[in-house]
Amino acid sequence: GAGVSQTPSNKVTEKGKYVELRCDPISGHTALYWYRQSLGQGPEFLIYFQGTGAADDSGLPNDRFFAVRPEGSVSTLKIQRTERGDSAVYLCASSRPTSGGPSSYNEQFFGPGTRLTVL
Amino acid sequence: KNEVEQSPQNLTAQEGEFITINCSYSVGISALHWLQQHPGGGIVSLFMLSSGKKKHGRLIATINIQEKHSSLHITASHPRDSAVYICAGGSNYKLTFGKGTLLTVNP
Repeated sequence: GAGVSQTPSNKVTEKGKYVELRCDPISGHTALYWYRQSLGQGPEFLIYFQGTGAADDSGLPNDRFFAVRPEGSVSTLKIQRTERGDSAVYLCASSRPTSGGPSSYNEQFFGPGTRLTVL
Repeated sequence: KNEVEQSPQNLTAQEGEFITINCSYSVGISALHWLQQHPGGGIVSLFMLSSGKKKHGRLIATINIQEKHSSLHITASHPRDSAVYICAGGSNYKLTFGKGTLLTVNP
């Protein structure tokens, strides 16, 4: 079946502009995660959705970042007034929670990422 | 100090060599993940383990919960194994990632 998809694959924007990054999770996966990976670093957690609600948004760096998942499937990460420091690869992952136990036991399936460049 | 540390940061090997990548973590975790990332590509999950050892083809992952240490081994390495290998500690739903180990296997 189809994996996690992300669009666009590349986005170049100018400082101060608004951008939206889209993630289509695997069908049936109720958990969705956004991560940000800067050059030479491992991914960093941004936000976690369980269904439609953001269960944990503690990784969002500031209020310029916002994410939604209105129907519990597709998610959009929104960045306002972009800054050069926002340049990174934004990764999305999804997983299917088990009936019991912590969700960290669930394999997360990653999308190919969106490379954002802010000039 | 990063909560998940990997070593080495870079590793170059000749085809056929046995490879070991190490991961130490200082956080409490429920599971340890090993992931593979090819240049320009997405991330693929290799292993998820909470104890003992797992094997898949030429890849072996071990974890020592008491010592908070995990290793990823690659036997009979091949140039197609060249990638970044990342370990990540999972606690509830959140993954804390290491910085990754860039492995280059030369023919």
